Amino acid sequence: SQKIEQNSEALNIQEGKTATLTCNYTNYSPAYLQWYRQDPGRGPVFLLLIRENEKEKRKERLKVTFDTTLKQSLFHITASQPADSATYLCALRDSSYKLIFGSGTRLLVRP
Amino acid sequence: GAGVSQSPSNKVTEKGKDVELRCDPISGHTALYWYRQSLGQGLEFLIYFQGNSAPDKSGLPSDRFSAERTGGSVSTLTIQRTQQEDSAVYLCASSFGSGTGTDTQYFGPGTRLTVL
Repeated sequence: SQKIEQNSEALNIQEGKTATLTCNYTNYSPAYLQWYRQDPGRGPVFLLLIRENEKEKRKERLKVTFDTTLKQSLFHITASQPADSATYLCALRDSSYKLIFGSGTRLLVRP
Repeated sequence: GAGVSQSPSNKVTEKGKDVELRCDPISGHTALYWYRQSLGQGLEFLIYFQGNSAPDKSGLPSDRFSAERTGGSVSTLTIQRTQQEDSAVYLCASSFGSGTGTDTQYFGPGTRLTVL
């Protein structure tokens, strides 16, 4: 069955460092991969989308890579700030409308 | 409002009671989705509405769950004879429904359901 794995352990880093979150998937060939941010008590908020034929996508301090051979996406936040502390979810999508979400990784940025 | 709204924000009910959860999507969005998120888990797809097409109910966990969307706008998720395992946050999302892979979903704040 389709499976998405994100590190369930929280990532704890110092302000100013680069945070790197990992999303691995199996038994799936997504055409698109998305990253969302979720704060406590809130719904997820869309951050970035990357297509299967794109290696890398950037938006301000955010960078996403997508390796369809490794079946992995990496999500980077450079110059991290305490306000970046949240749970980050990856979501995969094939050619249909359905998004399949990972369970998310919590990021804590210490001041 | 500008975003997706959901009500109530919190709902506590007793086992065996029926509950209704409401979602108001963003105006102009033709696609509407319901998800369930249990503590520490990812989002579980429940149901999808697109315009006037028949909804995709493939994610509904049991026949106790149903949803409708009136007039292509507001949606109600109904859970009958609630069980303790139904306790979760129920999230609604809407999108333009362009049918392309870049169609972005916008989420509401969710309804936290607690079944005692």
